[in-house]
Amino acid sequence: DVKVTQSSRYLVKRTGEKVFLECVQDMDHENMFWYRQDPGLGLRLIYFSYDVKMKEKGDIPEGYSVSREKKERFSLILESASTNQTSMYLCASSQGAGTGELFFGEGSRLTVL
Amino acid sequence: KNQVEQSPQSLIILEGKNCTLQCNYTVSPFSNLRWYKQDTGRGPVSLTIMTFSENTKSNGRYTATLDADTKQSSLHITASQLSDSASYICVVSLNAGNMLTFGGGTRLMVKP
Repeated sequence: DVKVTQSSRYLVKRTGEKVFLECVQDMDHENMFWYRQDPGLGLRLIYFSYDVKMKEKGDIPEGYSVSREKKERFSLILESASTNQTSMYLCASSQGAGTGELFFGEGSRLTVL
Repeated sequence: KNQVEQSPQSLIILEGKNCTLQCNYTVSPFSNLRWYKQDTGRGPVSLTIMTFSENTKSNGRYTATLDADTKQSSLHITASQLSDSASYICVVSLNAGNMLTFGGGTRLMVKP
């Protein structure tokens, strides 16, 4: 059974803290994505990666960075968390061309106080 | 601008009833359209994919339709169950590069 695992389901951080969100997939997928989901705004793409050590900015990359040192792992980093980064963060992976099915993790709900 | 609009935003129906969710898109060039189901507190899961040449596709009680001329898709749920309560998200793929455009979703609540 395919699986995308996000390290934390719920996190509470303070403004200015550095936050790491980890995502691991066991399907040997080439593509990995980070989205945030907010009520009324739907899913918005933060960053994506098509290969190890490769990254591309999505629609809302400001305030975020990513790391992909291994094919199965894609990390999202908030260098200095702010309250407007309180959100649900979803990691996804897919195979082949970007039009393939996305497999999502369970999500990480981040609250920044 | 590539856009995907879903309607209604939210819907409440009684268990056992049918319902239809709509997805209109302006994405071009079109590659495919997927419907995802997202249970509360979970990640979305793909229900079905529609390519340009397909008009109808079923997955159990879920039937998706696509009219590529009018750029409209619908997801019909037959004999709804309480477990159908979820958000349904329409995602359209461009036939160029790796771009996906997400709709805002329809939140469906099925009541007993």
